[in-house]
Amino acid sequence: QQQVKQSPQSLIVQKGGISIINCAYENTAFDYFPWYQQFPGKGPALLIAIRPDVSEKKEGRFTISFNKSAKQFSLHIMDSQPGDSATYFCAASWNTDKLIFGTGTRLQVFP
Amino acid sequence: DADVTQTPRNRITKTGKRIMLECSQTKGHDRMYWYRQDPGLGLRLIYYSFDVKDINKGEISDGYSVSRQAQAKFSLSLESAIPNQTALYFCATSDPKGSGETQYFGPGTRLLVL
Repeated sequence: QQQVKQSPQSLIVQKGGISIINCAYENTAFDYFPWYQQFPGKGPALLIAIRPDVSEKKEGRFTISFNKSAKQFSLHIMDSQPGDSATYFCAASWNTDKLIFGTGTRLQVFP
Repeated sequence: DADVTQTPRNRITKTGKRIMLECSQTKGHDRMYWYRQDPGLGLRLIYYSFDVKDINKGEISDGYSVSRQAQAKFSLSLESAIPNQTALYFCATSDPKGSGETQYFGPGTRLLVL
């Protein structure tokens, strides 16, 4: 019940395309859903986050879509760029407790 | 990343050796975490500490121990290293009073156990 399932494991997208990464969870008590971005040789860093009181949050080219009834949330990267090539992790937590991370998606954006 | 530092950045050791990975932070956060990252397995929590007197096991604590020497320092020890502990190790901090549950990660330590 504590797991966060992430897919796909890897994703190849052409420059200008849309990248979509999906996550699903079981614990309905989760109240915070962040996405972290990790470049090679670096630690993960917070990219964007959402709380379950809204269905969508957009920051620039990055959008989180949240479906509370389906217990799913996804990251959409519009107009994907080679500089977006990185590993992306979804996560979830409850009541400021520790984060539960997904298994990660390696995104490669080709020119 | 400069606010959270990890030493060493790379380490090669032999099976059976005891090693320590160190983490220091200048962010003034009470909460600190140790994770390991393996391909296809994501980030798995080893230990976490919500303040200097609080230490908790994560999902994969067997074979590891930690010490919270001060608010700013959190060390991870491998008591007797084994090859399947070869991984990338990350330290992270957070401050639930400030920026919510955002975790700030260090640059990582790449460990190879021969």
